Amino acid sequence: TQLLEQSPQFLSIQEGENLTVYCNSSSVFSSLQWYRQEPGEGPVLLVTVVTGGEVKKLKRLTFQFGDARKDSSLHITAAQPGDTGLYLCAGARGNKLVFGAGTILRVKS
Amino acid sequence: NAGVTQTPKFQVLKTGQSMTLQCAQDMNHEYMSWYRQDPGMGLRLIHYSVGAGITDQGEVPNGYNVSRSTTEDFPLRLLSAAPSQTSVYFCASSNRWSSYNEQFFGPGTRLTVL
Repeated sequence: TQLLEQSPQFLSIQEGENLTVYCNSSSVFSSLQWYRQEPGEGPVLLVTVVTGGEVKKLKRLTFQFGDARKDSSLHITAAQPGDTGLYLCAGARGNKLVFGAGTILRVKS
Repeated sequence: NAGVTQTPKFQVLKTGQSMTLQCAQDMNHEYMSWYRQDPGMGLRLIHYSVGAGITDQGEVPNGYNVSRSTTEDFPLRLLSAAPSQTSVYFCASSNRWSSYNEQFFGPGTRLTVL
């Protein structure tokens, strides 16, 4: 059983569409991070959210941390083929990072 | 800076063989960790270290050993390889442990155990 549940597992959309990826847990985290991973490479940090209700924007990507710090979402506006990849959320518990299973996003041109 | 480097990039082992996956970082980071990534399961923490001489177990430590004799290096040893250890292994480091700090990942080692 994953401590962090990500949905959907797989998403295939057309260029220009909007999408939202969810990261849910029954546990509270001191922070939540989102990483993006391309094939054959290690994950790269996109953002860290710390405060309940916090919203951060990174160009066309909007990240939100739930008020209770148990869940988070990633919204992409007008997706581009370059957004294709594996998106991972990770929660900090003690001195460890716990990862969700990831969402594979494919954006078709 | 080279960042986090891992060797080898690919490895094939027979059941029962032992080997060491190498990980090095040149950023003077205190915190280092090893993860394995399997399809549909994300990254799972194997072992981690908050500084030279200090290591601790993660979520899936069985069958793996680590040591941290220097700040730069954090090797992962497979004692007796099993097919269940077929996976992609990632090493990561950060300046020090903090729930806010970015983890920098290496490019990974793809291991197949026959």
